Amino acid sequence: EVVLTQSPGTLSLSPGERASLSCRASQSLSNSYLAWYQHKPGQAPRLLVYGTSHRATGIPDRFSGSGSGTDFTLTISRLEPEDFAVYYCHQYGISPYTFGQGTKLEI
Amino acid sequence: QVQLQQWGARLLKPSETLSLTCAVYGGSMRGYYWTWVRQPPGKGLEWIGEINHRGRSDYSPSLKSRLTASIDTSKNQFSLRLTSVTGADTAVYYCARGEFGELESWGQGTLVTVSS
Repeated sequence: EVVLTQSPGTLSLSPGERASLSCRASQSLSNSYLAWYQHKPGQAPRLLVYGTSHRATGIPDRFSGSGSGTDFTLTISRLEPEDFAVYYCHQYGISPYTFGQGTKLEI
Repeated sequence: QVQLQQWGARLLKPSETLSLTCAVYGGSMRGYYWTWVRQPPGKGLEWIGEINHRGRSDYSPSLKSRLTASIDTSKNQFSLRLTSVTGADTAVYYCARGEFGELESWGQGTLVTVSS
């Protein structure tokens, strides 16, 4: 199965700063079926980006996704207080689908 | 705006069968993949499996021998059965919808605890 490795495990930043979260796949995702989710305690995960770089409905444009092959990045251009959460990447191109272990974005 | 509402037994004993159902409101089941994801306490998200409106299913290899997904399009519902549960199956279980596998709508989550 495709193993997704996210880095860093924890990212400590301040509001207004830029965040870059990495997701590396153990094999090439040639169809770019890579998504990013934001997850806060007590809530369901929220889809941010799908197909590597397409923002989901209602997602602010400060969130952007990029990458190809085995290396993917979620960038948050200017952090807002509500952005501090856990972020997961998810590949849905090669069965069984898998999630990364998560990056905790903290203040 | 589609909404997913899930329910099922929350406390199970080891060896029992976990059963969850997810109802879909405000949308058709056609053209989508209906997925189950879980999160053990203190851990990350784990993809369990999916089923489409035709009943074609795909499961995580680690759970495949114990897992059955089903769908009832006449009721706009899909379900999950996981047999022979152990403490390792304690988790928050989510149902979700995706068009190509990305999960854009989620249920509220159900904490299922396995304990003797």
